[in-house]
Amino acid sequence: NAGVTQTPKFRVLKTGQSMTLLCAQDMNHEYMYWYRQDPGMGLRLIHYSVGEGTTAKGEVPDGYNVSRLKKQNFLLGLESAAPSQTSVYFCASSDGQGKYEQYFGPGTRLTVT
Amino acid sequence: DQQVKQNSPSLSVQEGRISILNCDYTNSMFDYFLWYKKYPAEGPTFLISISSIKDKNEDGRFTVFLNKSAKHLSLHIVPSQPGDSAVYFCAASDLGTYKYIFGTGTRLKVLA
Repeated sequence: NAGVTQTPKFRVLKTGQSMTLLCAQDMNHEYMYWYRQDPGMGLRLIHYSVGEGTTAKGEVPDGYNVSRLKKQNFLLGLESAAPSQTSVYFCASSDGQGKYEQYFGPGTRLTVT
Repeated sequence: DQQVKQNSPSLSVQEGRISILNCDYTNSMFDYFLWYKKYPAEGPTFLISISSIKDKNEDGRFTVFLNKSAKHLSLHIVPSQPGDSAVYFCAASDLGTYKYIFGTGTRLKVLA
């Protein structure tokens, strides 16, 4: 039982490049989330999903897209990376069936130059 | 507008003493509150939670208190141990929205 895994762990992009971050969970959780963490800002919700095939915007969705084609995977895409997207990205999942705590992945550190 | 605030960026406590971490919120629709602990280069891990229908929840050394009228919650760690040194985030949710709003975190340092 690996929990929540994120790929890759580190990435450096040049401005304008695109990339996809992959999140996978093996707990059969319905809900999945993408956050970014910046110094002094805490964790801010980018997008989330309440089930396979669904996505919704969080607090800071601009510049990102997501897809949840399979229940266990939640992809975060950056179509044209900007230096403002330099951050640590965390994926999380939760059961949503009376248990509300989220389980987080180890994070992806992204630098956009 | 920050809906969840942790006004103390850092806190230092002697080993064996009590650590009290505070969190304030503004949205009266929040009905569930959680605390997470985060070590460097790791994802946050769930610590303890409380529903808005309660005012206290205890789990071993960790107790969370909720004061709804003041829109304030606190996490008490007794006794504090060096391994508790980490960043602590509080989070709040209006469960009907499926979303969680996090505070900015408090870095706790427990001194041996």
